[in-house]
Amino acid sequence: KNEVEQSPQNLTAQEGEFITINCSYSVGISALHWLQQHPGGGIVSLFMLSSGKKKHGRLIATINIQEKHSSLHITASHPRDSAVYICPSLVPSNQFYFGTGTSLTVIP
Amino acid sequence: KAGVTQTPRYLIKTRGQQVTLSCSPISGHRSVSWYQQTPGQGLQFLFEYFSETQRNKGNFPGRFSGRQFSNSRSEMNVSTLELGDSALYLCASSLAEGSTDTQYFGPGTRLTVL
Repeated sequence: KNEVEQSPQNLTAQEGEFITINCSYSVGISALHWLQQHPGGGIVSLFMLSSGKKKHGRLIATINIQEKHSSLHITASHPRDSAVYICPSLVPSNQFYFGTGTSLTVIP
Repeated sequence: KAGVTQTPRYLIKTRGQQVTLSCSPISGHRSVSWYQQTPGQGLQFLFEYFSETQRNKGNFPGRFSGRQFSNSRSEMNVSTLELGDSALYLCASSLAEGSTDTQYFGPGTRLTVL
């Protein structure tokens, strides 16, 4: 069993839709990153969270350390949001655990 | 500022050989982390260096090693290559230790082991 579970694994949405991607953990975490990886392989760090909520443009990330859960929301989705989203989690031993990623395709 | 650079971008080696990959962080960044990405295992954490010291290490065999220089540039070495080492190797830099700071990723080095 993976320490980090992402859902859904694959997601197809129409342009303009509101999208939510979830990360759940079976171990205690102290912080979490949300990464975006485009088809060419380039990775962009979207957020680093240890509590609460962060917003950047159309992206919102929330985390609940006690419930071992984080969500990434995309408002007014656009085809350029099509990518794989990954949520590395930092556990107290300073190790990163990775989910398998959520592959998002936004159709015009 | 220039972003994180990795060299080489592509590399082909044969089993048993060794390889050294290089990562130059963003100017001023002192932390460099290395990751391996494969289709089967996804992204996995290799190790992190901060101020020339290895701070964290993932679950990889001793064939995987690294170091960081005084200018924060980092190298990763893999000895006695195996077919399963074929992967995209990514490095990321950050101002503070990467686990608690935003990481900036390089384009990766695509290693193919034949």
